[in-house]
Amino acid sequence: SQKIEQNSEALNIQEGKTATLTCNYTNYSPAYLQWYRQDPGRGPVFLLLIRENEKEKRKERLKVTFDTTLKQSLFHITASQPADSATYLCALMVQTGANNLFFGTGTRLTVIP
Amino acid sequence: DAGITQSPRHKVTETGTPVTLRCHQTENHRYMYWYRQDPGHGLRLIHYSYGVKDTDKGEVSDGYSVSRSKTEDFLLTLESATSSQTSVYFCAISESSGMGYAKNIQYFGAGTRLSVL
Repeated sequence: SQKIEQNSEALNIQEGKTATLTCNYTNYSPAYLQWYRQDPGRGPVFLLLIRENEKEKRKERLKVTFDTTLKQSLFHITASQPADSATYLCALMVQTGANNLFFGTGTRLTVIP
Repeated sequence: DAGITQSPRHKVTETGTPVTLRCHQTENHRYMYWYRQDPGHGLRLIHYSYGVKDTDKGEVSDGYSVSRSKTEDFLLTLESATSSQTSVYFCAISESSGMGYAKNIQYFGAGTRLSVL
């Protein structure tokens, strides 16, 4: 069966450290992998997208890697801040006619001052 | 929330009653989606639309129907609500299909919290 697993439900980290979140998938052949941020009571907000033929993508303090052999993506937040506290969702898009996304259950990140 | 309005934001209803949730967008995007979000399951696609009057089923479509009579509006209907449909419902939009970078980003509304008693 198809699965998308995010490493842990919750992750606590000290301010200033690098947070690393993991997304593993099975039985998908994604064309894209995306990361979203979700704050309590709000809808997800897009952060980064990486294609199957890309190894790494960066945006400011964010970095995403994508290893299609390991079927894994890593999401890094460097120099983490309390404002980075949120739930982070990974989502896979397979190559079909519609832009359907398949989401992981998310990791709740708390950055401790 | 990227020009997406969901209404109502909260609703409490009784088992067996019909419920309609509305999603309105001002972005003129072609694709619209309805998801539900439940603890332990993440976001799951219910139905989506790829144009006016063009809709298709998602992963968890049983018990739900949708309609899109205008580009800007996408309605989700629970014909006879059940307690298992208690959830947070999100509407999302995307520009179009295709392999262009921007086309594959989805923008979400703020959600509707539905309780079926």
